[in-house]
Amino acid sequence: GQQLNQSPQSMFIQEGEDVSMNCTSSSIFNTWLWYKQDPGEGPVLLIALYKAGELTSNGRLTAQFGITRKDSFLNISASIPSDVGIYFCAGQLNAGKSTFGDGTTLTVKP
Amino acid sequence: DGGITQSPKYLFRKEGQNVTLSCEQNLNHDAMYWYRQDPGQGLRLIYYSQIVNDFQKGDIAEGYSVSREKKESFPLTVTSAQKNPTAFYLCASHPGKSKNIQYFGAGTRLSVL
Repeated sequence: GQQLNQSPQSMFIQEGEDVSMNCTSSSIFNTWLWYKQDPGEGPVLLIALYKAGELTSNGRLTAQFGITRKDSFLNISASIPSDVGIYFCAGQLNAGKSTFGDGTTLTVKP
Repeated sequence: DGGITQSPKYLFRKEGQNVTLSCEQNLNHDAMYWYRQDPGQGLRLIYYSQIVNDFQKGDIAEGYSVSREKKESFPLTVTSAQKNPTAFYLCASHPGKSKNIQYFGAGTRLSVL
């Protein structure tokens, strides 16, 4: 089946720094999604991207749908302690079924 | 409040026992999903259902069973055939229309006694 490569696997940053993570695939997707998961909770949607080249912001978060439809990145600006968690990308080709990356674990040091 | 409710939050299984995880949604969503999450790994699809009385196997269906008798409910049974059931189980749903976004429950952590 389709696979997503998400990197980096983990990040340790200082509060106030910017963060960048990305997902790549050997297959194209029609939709890219970015989720955040807090410990012991379910993932919560951060940003949804529906068109190649689309750049979307949600507060301090910015995500882009790669022009080749095979990649996406998520940036977090001016990180704060509550940004800690696991960030997942997900790609959808057909309606509903998503393929998930393995996640990027973010640690923010005050 | 609208949402997806998973219960229980924590569940313990004895060897040879079947256990059932509950997932209920009041979002009127057509499609529902079950995922398994292991530490440091992404979400792996167990089963999904796009409509009542119909469901399909995902990537790791062996040792699991589901039913979809009602639109709002999609229970997952972890059978004794699943030899390594300890994991975090997540249920999700989406409307079944275009621009589908899956919304997740809070998860059930299953451990083996």
